[in-house]
Amino acid sequence: EAGVTQFPSHSVIEKGQTVTLRCDPISGHDNLYWYRRVMGKEIKFLLHFVKESKQDESGMPNNRFLAERTGGTYSTLKVQPAELEDSGVYFCASSQERGFGNSPLHFGNGTRLTVT
Amino acid sequence: AQKVTQAQTEISVVEKEDVTLDCVYETRDTTYYLFWYKQPPSGELVFLIRRNSFDEQNEISGRYSWNFQKSTSSFNFTITASQVVDSAVYFCALSYLFSSGSARQLTFGSGTQLTVLP
Repeated sequence: EAGVTQFPSHSVIEKGQTVTLRCDPISGHDNLYWYRRVMGKEIKFLLHFVKESKQDESGMPNNRFLAERTGGTYSTLKVQPAELEDSGVYFCASSQERGFGNSPLHFGNGTRLTVT
Repeated sequence: AQKVTQAQTEISVVEKEDVTLDCVYETRDTTYYLFWYKQPPSGELVFLIRRNSFDEQNEISGRYSWNFQKSTSSFNFTITASQVVDSAVYFCALSYLFSSGSARQLTFGSGTQLTVLP
């Protein structure tokens, strides 16, 4: 079974530019989450999709961040325009059940974003 | 509000030593899950364990063991006879568990960088 895949693995952009991160969850997983870790701090929740619907986006920092999951498969997270404080590692995770049940949350390798 | 504290930012041990990673949590919820994840140099977050708040039994899996103490709100992780391959960042996390069985998103600690020297 393929795991959660994220693209790109690294991205270096200048302040003011736009970047789009992509996440492909494990096939069949309706629940998709975005998290990020900034400056070696804790990993923080950004938002949660159930299929194509945003279930909880309370962690999105501001309106420069836009997440989509058209068709309920892969998801994209766009940052426009990027600011220096957006630098960090962005993780995507998926699960079959929202309650985790017998399956844990599966994380991808993350995308390391550097804004200069 | 939920909070997870991993006071140890970095730990270095020599191979074969035992090491304990501390995790202290705060929550007003009576039902919740606790987790440990490992992030090796390759970057992915690898699930290690999930415990629910109903079950305070300690758990052992090979060289790994976990000590859950509700009285002190701690969920510590011990690696016995550490190996170089154990070098990674370890994250403790907490999630509220609804009565329906569904769970809220994870609240992570800031992680502990463990370095095992040969």
